[in-house]
Amino acid sequence: RKEVEQDPGPFNVPEGATVAFNCTYSNSASQSFFWYRQDCRKEPKLLMSVYSSGNEDGRFTAQLNRASQYISLLIRDSKLSDSATYLCVVYSSASKIIFGSGTRLSIRP
Amino acid sequence: ETGVTQSPTHLIKTRGQQVTLRCSSQSGHNTVSWYQQALGQGPQFIFQYYREEENGRGNFPPRFSGLQFPNYSSELNVNALELDDSALYLCASSPDRGSNEKLFFGSGTQLSVL
Repeated sequence: RKEVEQDPGPFNVPEGATVAFNCTYSNSASQSFFWYRQDCRKEPKLLMSVYSSGNEDGRFTAQLNRASQYISLLIRDSKLSDSATYLCVVYSSASKIIFGSGTRLSIRP
Repeated sequence: ETGVTQSPTHLIKTRGQQVTLRCSSQSGHNTVSWYQQALGQGPQFIFQYYREEENGRGNFPPRFSGLQFPNYSSELNVNALELDDSALYLCASSPDRGSNEKLFFGSGTQLSVL
């Protein structure tokens, strides 16, 4: 079993739709969690950190559920520019960083 | 821009050869980590260096090794190249070590092993 698992998608949704991704992790001692965005043939870039209390940045909301060991990302009112691969990142320790395999999102006009 | 640069951008090697990839971190960033990203996969953690010492390693064999220098540059060395080593290699720097550090990625080196 992989330490971090994501639904690979692709998710193909119309502009304006709401879409949600989950990511599960196996190490209950994992310390911190992030979502990164990666455009085709580009480097990953930080989208947002994920906290148990949940956090919101504009149209994006991230949530951590430690009891069930998953993190989620919700995108509201999706835009064409949201098309990308979304990577969940788990620090299983301060010096071991695990990326999920990514969820591909495609927004259609 | 992240301020992290990698060289070369593309490289072609043959099986059995050795390769050195280079990364220049943001000034003041004491931590650098390296990743291997195969097509259609997420980045796989190779190792992390903090102040010139390795302080974390993923599931990669010893033929993957690294160095970090005081001038915020670093290297990834791969010996005895195999066909499966073909991938995008990314480095990322962060100001310090710790589990809340944002990663600043370079744009990567695309390695092809023939």
